[in-house]
Amino acid sequence: DTAVSQTPKYLVTQMGNDKSIKCEQNLGHDTMYWYKQDSKKFLKIMFSYNNKELIINETVPNRFSPKSPDKAHLNLHINSLELGDSAVYFCASRGTQGNTEAFFGQGTRLTVV
Amino acid sequence: AQKVTQAQTEISVVEKEDVTLDCVYETRDTTYYLFWYKQPPSGELVFLIRRNSFDEQNEISGRYSWNFQKSTSSFNFTITASQVVDSAVYFCASRAHGSSNTGKLIFGQGTTLQVKP
Repeated sequence: DTAVSQTPKYLVTQMGNDKSIKCEQNLGHDTMYWYKQDSKKFLKIMFSYNNKELIINETVPNRFSPKSPDKAHLNLHINSLELGDSAVYFCASRGTQGNTEAFFGQGTRLTVV
Repeated sequence: AQKVTQAQTEISVVEKEDVTLDCVYETRDTTYYLFWYKQPPSGELVFLIRRNSFDEQNEISGRYSWNFQKSTSSFNFTITASQVVDSAVYFCASRAHGSSNTGKLIFGQGTTLQVKP
């Protein structure tokens, strides 16, 4: 009964490929996020969705396209993968009633070779 | 714009020592929230604590305590009697208040804590 779950946990792929990472939360939260953690462990937000609507796009290349089919899911599709896309991608969710904290998935380690 | 600074990149202590992780934040918001997250070697991000800007009370949870001081814009985290299982990367983060923000977290660079037996 994991609160925020991401699949896959590890993803190794070649440059130029297209890949997707899936995220699901069972917390009933309205807002979901994608964060990227680089090789130096620095965490930075990429996207935020609220009730399936894109709210934040932090100057992420167009090759990254989030999709939210419903409030409980936020998937990340990446086209034409580049070496620099190698990172750990975290999905998170947060309830917007009250001032709550974000809960994170276990992360997806993407390695582009 | 918000900014969070964790000046300590790495800290190494021996088990049972007390250790304090520093966090300094910058914000122009009058209402904001501060957080600490733990990232153990397994890689997940674990929420530890949230503090509201209007509540400067310090908090203690077991061996963990947090010291929030608005006067110095600091939100430091102390682990008492550290244990090997405390070895992890610890992130301090801030979030502005307000619906337009939708709650994005601004993270510090993280502090890697190594507790040796």
